[in-house]
Amino acid sequence: GAVVSQHPSRVICKSGTSVKIECRSLDFQATTMFWYRQFPKKSLMLMATSNEGSKATYEQGVEKDKFLINHASLTLSTLTVTSAHPEDSSFYICSARGQGSEKLFFGSGTQLSVL
Amino acid sequence: SQQGEEDPQALSIQEGENATMNCSYKTSINNLQWYRQNSGRGLVHLILIRSNEREKHSGRLRVTLDTSKKSSSLLITASRAADTASYFCATDGSGNTGKLIFGQGTTLQVKP
Repeated sequence: GAVVSQHPSRVICKSGTSVKIECRSLDFQATTMFWYRQFPKKSLMLMATSNEGSKATYEQGVEKDKFLINHASLTLSTLTVTSAHPEDSSFYICSARGQGSEKLFFGSGTQLSVL
Repeated sequence: SQQGEEDPQALSIQEGENATMNCSYKTSINNLQWYRQNSGRGLVHLILIRSNEREKHSGRLRVTLDTSKKSSSLLITASRAADTASYFCATDGSGNTGKLIFGQGTTLQVKP
């Protein structure tokens, strides 16, 4: 199956710093990428949808200035958590979909801990 | 918003037994998918069933879909300890947005 690589897998940072998470589709062109957030033992909450070359579409309640998403190429999307605070601590997962595909391929997730 | 509700929230069975998980949703759909997540990892796609299908099989997995009741079930037969994971249903909605909305998930533990 298609491979999506997400880095870093774990990051610990101080409050107020910014953290960038990368999501790459390794063997297919991802026309659309999705960013999810997951709390312990909870479901995935969709944060935003990004299409290559255009601005991300954010879900209601997600601050776009807080969670900056860039999808500069068909194989790379990045999520930057700006001025992170402890309440931003969570598991962030990206997923990618190729053109015409209905399935999502997921990265392995990034556990963010903000001290 | 999360439209899928799954039950049970947690299920513990012995190896060799069958495991059944249910998912209900609220809006009309084009398809419904099931995913598996090992602890602290990303999700892996298991199976997709379209709105005009009623049942689908893949190996030890059997999925049913009842669009009149807006519900689906995932059956894992002859379970193995390696099946221990969380299982999520996801629906796409009929608006063809491409977004998948995930259910709350069922945590399955298979005891050896």
